[in-house]
This record gives sequence, structure tokens and C-alpha cells, in this order.
Amino acid sequence: AQKITQTQPGMFVQEKEAVTLDCTYDTSDPSYGLFWYKQPSSGEMIFLIYQGSYDQQNATEGRYSLNFQKARKSANLVISASQLGDSAMYFCARLIQGAQKLVFGQGTRLTINP
Amino acid sequence: DGGITQSPKYLFRKEGQNVTLSCEQNLNHDAMYWYRQDPGQGLRLIYYSQIVNDFQKGDIAEGYSVSREKKESFPLTVTSAQKNPTAFYLCASSHRPQPGPTPYEQYFGPGTRLTVT
Repeated sequence: AQKITQTQPGMFVQEKEAVTLDCTYDTSDPSYGLFWYKQPSSGEMIFLIYQGSYDQQNATEGRYSLNFQKARKSANLVISASQLGDSAMYFCARLIQGAQKLVFGQGTRLTINP
Repeated sequence: DGGITQSPKYLFRKEGQNVTLSCEQNLNHDAMYWYRQDPGQGLRLIYYSQIVNDFQKGDIAEGYSVSREKKESFPLTVTSAQKNPTAFYLCASSHRPQPGPTPYEQYFGPGTRLTVT
């Protein structure tokens, strides 16, 4: 099964703290990609960061970084110095090679408290 | 500005009626996708198209139909055969997938919230 698991339905964090959102995946493909998207209350999906299975280093994009542990099949998103505007749903997704379609986890609702 | 347009943002229909959701992109992307999102859930793929005049079923295609007559447009019709059509529908596009490990990011439109009563 090509399953993506996000075990945290909701997270509450104080502003300026770092937060880690968990994502594990199930695959037997030798090559794959993992995406994180942010979905604010308005509904649009905003691309945050991508990690390829053969990438030598963990991906980083500004305040976002990926803690990629290939042997554990996990790709956790780390947001440093959280801001009120980070409050949103966050989705982890895996790209199915060949078909190039995304399979999404159920998401984590992150709330940043002032 | 380049982007993806979905209209309308909110759509209301009576049960038994077909309804077509619009998706237009000016990003010059070859590939386009339709996803469905139910409350508290992730996105599920309905249909996708990697090139004009060609499309494939996704994981939940039953009760839906699409066409891809133009590169810029990928309309989705929710037919009366769809048993539970009320949901949030998101359209996305990307460059055409190529063999190899490097994927292309999918860009999403703002979505259409469909309510069928």
C-alpha cells in the first residue's frame, strides 16, 4: 500500500518555538519524493518543501526543514521560530513515480498561540 | 500573473443534477490534476492528464468525468452518479512528468466548494 501516515491530528505551539510535524510513509519503490504542503483556512495548497529519496542532505527552505530518516521511512517537517501565520493544516504527500500522482496523509492542524 | 483559476469558489446544486467545475491555468504546464478533499481529510486524486486529449482515472474516479481539449483547461463534471458529491475540489498543474527521480512540484488552484442538497 502507498500509505502516508500523519499521527498528530492537532498540534498547539507557542509563538517563536520550533515545531516538528510527523510523517511516515510506506513504499517499496527505490526512488521516490516527499512533499509538504500548507493549507490555510482559505483552502489553497501551498508548496513548502520537497525531499528526494536519493538526496544526500535534508532539504531546507527558509524556516522549513525536513528531518528525513530513510531507514525509518519518516520525513518530519520542522518549522523553526514559529509565527502566528503558520497556523494552518499541513499535509505530507508522496509522489508515485511513473504516474506522477501525489498520495496525501490526513494532515495535522497546527495552531500557533501568541 | 501566472496561476491556476478555479471558478466559482462556492457552488450549490440540487441532487440529481450534473455540475461542471472549471479549472484554467496559464503556467504552460502539460499536466493537470483534480483532487477531492473531505472535511478533516487529505486530498484524493480523481483524474489526471499528462497531455492534451489524454487523461487517466485516479483513485476515486467513479461518478466523475473530465475532458482535456486545450492545454490550459481541465474541467471536471460531477455527475448524478456520484453518491456523495459535497466536498472541496482542488485542481493542480505541473510540468509534464519525466522519467527519473526528479519530480515537478504541483501548483494548486484556490478550490471550489461544492454543496449538493
